[in-house]
Amino acid sequence: GAGVSQSPSNKVTEKGKDVELRCDPISGHTALYWYRQSLGQGLEFLIYFQGNSAPDKSGLPSDRFSAERTGGSVSTLTIQRTQQEDSAVYLCASSAGFIGELFFGEGSRLTVL
Amino acid sequence: SQELEQSPQSLIVQEGKNLTINCTSSKTLYGLYWYKQKYGEGLIFLMMLQKGGEEKSHEKITAKLDEKKQQSSLHITASQPSHAGIYLCGADAFSSGSARQLTFGSGTQLTVLP
Repeated sequence: GAGVSQSPSNKVTEKGKDVELRCDPISGHTALYWYRQSLGQGLEFLIYFQGNSAPDKSGLPSDRFSAERTGGSVSTLTIQRTQQEDSAVYLCASSAGFIGELFFGEGSRLTVL
Repeated sequence: SQELEQSPQSLIVQEGKNLTINCTSSKTLYGLYWYKQKYGEGLIFLMMLQKGGEEKSHEKITAKLDEKKQQSSLHITASQPSHAGIYLCGADAFSSGSARQLTFGSGTQLTVLP
């Protein structure tokens, strides 16, 4: 499709397990963002990729969180040793450049039991 | 980092009524975005404002940017049940480096009663 694609749409895991969330941005978009949205809360910035520049990881809540973007396209957000407080909807967005609107995916809902 | 405060946090209106949602920034606004989110779905882009005094409209939704007050308002005229959802404002706050800092408010939950 033409939009931002995220998978899985829903993930239920046990505490302590690792999870990987995938984001396929809009083709040609150089910027990619990960946000987290907890129930009833706004969007919490996690990480930002822009072209070949070093990513801005300032929003990652702990060293259990990491993300990579291969070939300037698909991105994977990895959460190691998941905790219950990691339960949230993880949203990915992409944009064509340094400014302008972000196009969001439908999100990956993570539930840690 | 930039903080965005939205008010009200939630709003319940009768169909046909007008309403306003505000978004106030703690820092200078370089770009202000309004998004709408339905429960369990992604964010839908509504409008982007970049210049002080700028006003944009889309159907019955109008947004304005007051640069001096570091504030934007979203106004819905003659609200309909289809307007229900969470409205989020987002703003650019460019850091000293090349990274783009795009932050969002906590959202305004709008319910429109038929």
